[in-house]
Amino acid sequence: GAVVSQHPSWVICKSGTSVKIECRSLDFQATTMFWYRQFPKQSLMLMATSNEGSKATYEQGVEKDKFLINHASLTLSTLTVTSAHPEDSSFYICSASKGEGKAFFGQGTRLTVV
Amino acid sequence: GDSVTQMEGPVTLSEEAFLTINCTYTATGYPSLFWYVQYPGEGLQLLLKATKADDKGSNKGFEATYRKETTSFHLEKGSVQVSDSAVYFCALTAGGTSYGKLTFGQGTILTVHP
Repeated sequence: GAVVSQHPSWVICKSGTSVKIECRSLDFQATTMFWYRQFPKQSLMLMATSNEGSKATYEQGVEKDKFLINHASLTLSTLTVTSAHPEDSSFYICSASKGEGKAFFGQGTRLTVV
Repeated sequence: GDSVTQMEGPVTLSEEAFLTINCTYTATGYPSLFWYVQYPGEGLQLLLKATKADDKGSNKGFEATYRKETTSFHLEKGSVQVSDSAVYFCALTAGGTSYGKLTFGQGTILTVHP
């Protein structure tokens, strides 16, 4: 099956710094990638949809300038949390779609801002 | 907008017990429905899916039937195992070019004891 790799699996950063999370489709080209956020004991909430070579589409309430998404190639999308604060601590998950009927998830990144 | 409601957990069962996790949805049009599973320390995995009314998705002994009249997609397994302990998410997508853009339920934690 298709594999989506997220890196890092976990990261701790100081308040005010920026953190980059990578999402790679290892054995297929992803036309679209999605970024989700999961709070403890809560569901996954879609943050944004990114298509290769174009600007990401953000869900209502998600700050574009805080959560920068770049989808430079068909196998890589990055999420940068800028000027992170403790309330940004969460579990971030990406998924990659290769078209009709198929979407695959990364293992997630746990971000802790101290 | 679209929404998914799952029964609240956690659910605790003994091995070989019967499992039901309820899921109901609200959506415009004809969504596709999914169950995802998240094992401890791992990412999300697709467990099963159904793309139209009356379809039954099945995998690893789990089943769920797409019931349009009751807008439900309940997950069932006749005899659970300890290895089934995980978090289960019901989800839907509008399909088409939005495939992979998922709306999730809140997740249900299942713990199976020997």
